[in-house]
Amino acid sequence: QSVLTQPPSASGTPGQRVTISCSGSSSNIGSNTVNWYQQLPGTAPKLLIYRNNQRPSGVPDRFSGSKSGTSASLAISGLQSEDEADYYCAAWDDSLNGYVVFGGGTKLTVL
Amino acid sequence: EVQLVQSGAEVKKPGESLKISCKGSGYSFTSYWIGWVRQMPGKGLEWMGIIYPGDSDTRYSPSFQGQVTISADKSISTAYLQWSSLKASDTAMYYCARTSMVRGVIDWFDPWGQGTLVTVSS
Repeated sequence: QSVLTQPPSASGTPGQRVTISCSGSSSNIGSNTVNWYQQLPGTAPKLLIYRNNQRPSGVPDRFSGSKSGTSASLAISGLQSEDEADYYCAAWDDSLNGYVVFGGGTKLTVL
Repeated sequence: EVQLVQSGAEVKKPGESLKISCKGSGYSFTSYWIGWVRQMPGKGLEWMGIIYPGDSDTRYSPSFQGQVTISADKSISTAYLQWSSLKASDTAMYYCARTSMVRGVIDWFDPWGQGTLVTVSS
């Protein structure tokens, strides 16, 4: 059971806009920033969004992030076949001595 | 180019010890933290812990405290993850990744190593 909750799957057709949610609590998303990672099949995770809504250089502006209260979302517009991957949200959790928590991951299928 | 290169796949028996490595290049290795993340077969990502090679300050996830040891040798820009007695449940892909810590909070992980697959089987 992951501390951050994501839907296990999402899907869309090419060109469509899809969103992936990430729900947490006051000790993690509610008080810290959210990062998103993309894991293409058989590869290492890659940073997609940092500090809620910032894109690293090289990440297309089709990808965007937002945060409100204890939830965050990743939006992908103009869906492409190469976007088919697992997506993970992550945040710092202030409980105990502090630690990084990940969502369980969302498998995005491009139909 | 900032890069983390991990050691190769390992096949071990239960009870054996293991140390895997993560070598950084293209940046000041002692100025950033290195984190370790586990991904069990078909499962999600789990944060294990981090180390600051500059002074070897190490923090562990509550789930992994006492189960593994994280270390670093700054003279060769390499971080390590080790087990003293492996279990079958340690079978997983292990990733290292660079990060920063600001006011006691870990930032994002970027870049990531390519991963080291550890298989523990009798």
